[in-house]
Amino acid sequence: GAVVSQHPSRVICKSGTSVKIECRSLDFQATTMFWYRQFPKKSLMLMATSNEGSKATYEQGVEKDKFLINHASLTLSTLTVTSAHPEDSSFYICSARDAGTSGRTDTQYFGPGTRLTVL
Amino acid sequence: QQPVQSPQAVILREGEDAVINCSSSKALYSVHWYRQKHGEAPVFLMILLKGGEQKGHEKISASFNEKKQQSSLYLTASQLSYSGTYFCGTGFQKLVFGTGTRLLVSP
Repeated sequence: GAVVSQHPSRVICKSGTSVKIECRSLDFQATTMFWYRQFPKKSLMLMATSNEGSKATYEQGVEKDKFLINHASLTLSTLTVTSAHPEDSSFYICSARDAGTSGRTDTQYFGPGTRLTVL
Repeated sequence: QQPVQSPQAVILREGEDAVINCSSSKALYSVHWYRQKHGEAPVFLMILLKGGEQKGHEKISASFNEKKQQSSLYLTASQLSYSGTYFCGTGFQKLVFGTGTRLLVSP
């Protein structure tokens, strides 16, 4: 149980294009999902908190117009990197917090990550 | 503010023990521990919710000292599979991850 999927796992795109990353909780409902960014050999940096049915909350320094987040259902959140540039290249990881329906309240489960390379 | 972990890196021989510390400058409500292998997502190890609480997960256990705003992860009789980077995560509604500790277990 507690599986989170991410798609795609890898994406290479040209500078100026937009890329959408999907995050799904497969066997539990997640009212809250989180998006992180990780540079090589660094820690995970929280980008935004995604709440089902409402606007995402972005961390300081994260451009909301560049990183569009949509949380359309209790099992799906998407991150769209708009007009991507080489400096956006990174490892993007989502996590989903179990809503507590199975007694696993407060635990965050991570997706496998998406490696974005912008040429 | 990001929790600080120590040590930054540690190399062990199989069977040896290690302790990883996590210190926060803010009050802690809970501490989460994760292990991440290279190129993969973090894997949840355990969560500690109360001050002074200790938990165990096979040969990996942890303690949480709420007053000192610290948590420690204990790895006993380490196995090769323990290699990876360990992160603590703290926070109430959202997690802020620590600086990380890279652990390498060699045969």
